[in-house]
Amino acid sequence: NAGVMQNPRHLVRRRGQEARLRCSPMKGHSHVYWYRQLPEEGLKFMVYLQKENIIDESGMPKERFSAEFPKEGPSILRIQQVVRGDSAAYFCASSPRAGTAKNIQYFGAGTRLSVL
Amino acid sequence: EDQVTQSPEALRLQEGESSSLNCSYTVSGLRGLFWYRQDPGKGPEFLFTLYSAGEEKEKERLKATLTKKESFLHITAPKPEDSATYLCAVPTGGGNKLTFGTGTQLKVEL
Repeated sequence: NAGVMQNPRHLVRRRGQEARLRCSPMKGHSHVYWYRQLPEEGLKFMVYLQKENIIDESGMPKERFSAEFPKEGPSILRIQQVVRGDSAAYFCASSPRAGTAKNIQYFGAGTRLSVL
Repeated sequence: EDQVTQSPEALRLQEGESSSLNCSYTVSGLRGLFWYRQDPGKGPEFLFTLYSAGEEKEKERLKATLTKKESFLHITAPKPEDSATYLCAVPTGGGNKLTFGTGTQLKVEL
């Protein structure tokens, strides 16, 4: 049973370029979460999605960041016009349900974004 | 505001030297507490979930406990392979997102 798959594992972009991060949840999971881990900081929630719906984007920066989870295919976190401050590890998690104390989120290995 | 605080930030133990990590939280309406382990360059790996005060869970050399204000991760006779960052997290925002502490970086030496 494959876990949460993220790709690419490492991504290098120059300032002003776009970054696309992909996440395939565990089999049977329809809830996806994105978190960001800045150097020397803890994991911070960004967005929570179900298939074709954004449920909670309270942690997403207002500009340049967007996320989607289409009916078919992986979830995508998109960062437009990247800046050096976007350099971080981005983690995706998935769960089979949401909103309860039994909602265990399983994490992928992350994508490490470096902005030159 | 929901907050999770972990201590110590870093801990160095000798192999076999037992200790405890602390996670204190301030949330309205606790919906459980999660412990994860994170190795360098990897994603958090789920360890335990605790749902109510007084609950305990064990796995190999690890034991997690929960009170109304904090949780402890007890490590008994640790080995070098237990070296990692241990994270605790609580569900917030209706239970749909996790608020993490900044972690305890544990190093176990021979």
